[in-house]
Amino acid sequence: ETGVTQSPTHLIKTRGQQVTLRCSSQSGHNTVSWYQQALGQGPQFIFQYYREEENGRGNFPPRFSGLQFPNYSSELNVNALELDDSALYLCASSLARGVSEKLFFGSGTQLSVL
Amino acid sequence: GENVEQHPSTLSVQEGDSAVIKCTYSDSASNYFPWYKQELGKGPQLIIDIRSNVGEKKDQRIAVTLNKTAKHFSLHITETQPEDSAVYFCAVLRQGGTSYGKLTFGQGTILTVHP
Repeated sequence: ETGVTQSPTHLIKTRGQQVTLRCSSQSGHNTVSWYQQALGQGPQFIFQYYREEENGRGNFPPRFSGLQFPNYSSELNVNALELDDSALYLCASSLARGVSEKLFFGSGTQLSVL
Repeated sequence: GENVEQHPSTLSVQEGDSAVIKCTYSDSASNYFPWYKQELGKGPQLIIDIRSNVGEKKDQRIAVTLNKTAKHFSLHITETQPEDSAVYFCAVLRQGGTSYGKLTFGQGTILTVHP
């Protein structure tokens, strides 16, 4: 186990709704990244947070947003849910940028949009 | 952007055989290459990684080789066991700038080890 915890483990929403996913990073890690993993595919980078600021973003629309808190935990928010947003959402934590590039993943939140 | 191709998509071996998974990448500036194992219902677990200044790295039954000139790297698993059955992902990172944490993953290889 990596020490990265995510909640909830499963979630069902309907199209147009909003969702918030939560992540607690591994002890000592101050950087959190979020990934989306569609069924049968590799994870895709959404964005990364470092010192409570967004530190890089993948090809995801603005309705995907996030927060990082002073204790380094993080939230992923998705507005106006679409059917294609159904996926496993993974959080990964790492040591300070420039110190280590190793990412440690949580078990994810399985989001189903109906 | 970076493009990562992973082969094969499925691999079936007998217990005790070796397994090899290969990945190619497009960005010659990429400099960190991890491999992840993902079991059903779990997140990816880092099993081995290599940096661009190293050609090979080994950890017990697992090894990774890197050919920077050809822009490809491979995962080698020897003496496979049924518990090695999982989905394996290669990934690539270009460190520096705005790329921290931005791993680009391959499509995955489903490895099945038959007892």
